[in-house]
Amino acid sequence: GDSVTQMEGPVTLSEEAFLTINCTYTATGYPSLFWYVQYPGEGLQLLLKATKADDKGSNKGFEATYRKETTSFHLEKGSVQVSDSAVYFCALSGAYSGAGSYQLTFGKGTKLSVIP
Amino acid sequence: DADVTQTPRNRITKTGKRIMLECSQTKGHDRMYWYRQDPGLGLRLIYYSFDVKDINKGEISDGYSVSRQAQAKFSLSLESAIPNQTALYFCATSGNGQGSWGANVLTFGAGSRLTVL
Repeated sequence: GDSVTQMEGPVTLSEEAFLTINCTYTATGYPSLFWYVQYPGEGLQLLLKATKADDKGSNKGFEATYRKETTSFHLEKGSVQVSDSAVYFCALSGAYSGAGSYQLTFGKGTKLSVIP
Repeated sequence: DADVTQTPRNRITKTGKRIMLECSQTKGHDRMYWYRQDPGLGLRLIYYSFDVKDINKGEISDGYSVSRQAQAKFSLSLESAIPNQTALYFCATSGNGQGSWGANVLTFGAGSRLTVL
């Protein structure tokens, strides 16, 4: 079945450091890929997405490129801020679940802490 | 007000008790979901509903039931709570189309933390 593997955390970085959170996936067909972010005490919210190979999703300085050849969707940011401290989830939409919708499969999440 | 509202936000209960977690949304979305979050396990889908008359089991439905009372309301019940159901529960909604990805842009509630003693 579909699966998503993320690098284990927690990840601790100093402010303005470069961030990479690795994500690889296993899926049949051509899934869409997502990064969701969960700030402390809140629900998840969509950070960025990519729907086909070589697409680059970007938002709030974060980027991720859909790499079909390596089945990866790594999240990057050039200069992190304290406000980026959160848990980041990689996800894919794979198995068809009817009514034009595809189930989301989430990774286990990577906790990022940014210190001043 | 939040787009997706969950009540209660925190609940402590005892083994064997019946618990209901409620979710209401103002997004106008047809699709609603219940997820469970456990440390180190990420999010796992319990149940999902594409409209009022459509209810589907997710990955971990055993021990849970749901009711879709209206388009905007989707409740999760634990008929007889047990300690390993201690977790953070999230309700989410999504829209109907714009391609396969559009239906998977989820809007989450803030979560309901349940502790079963």
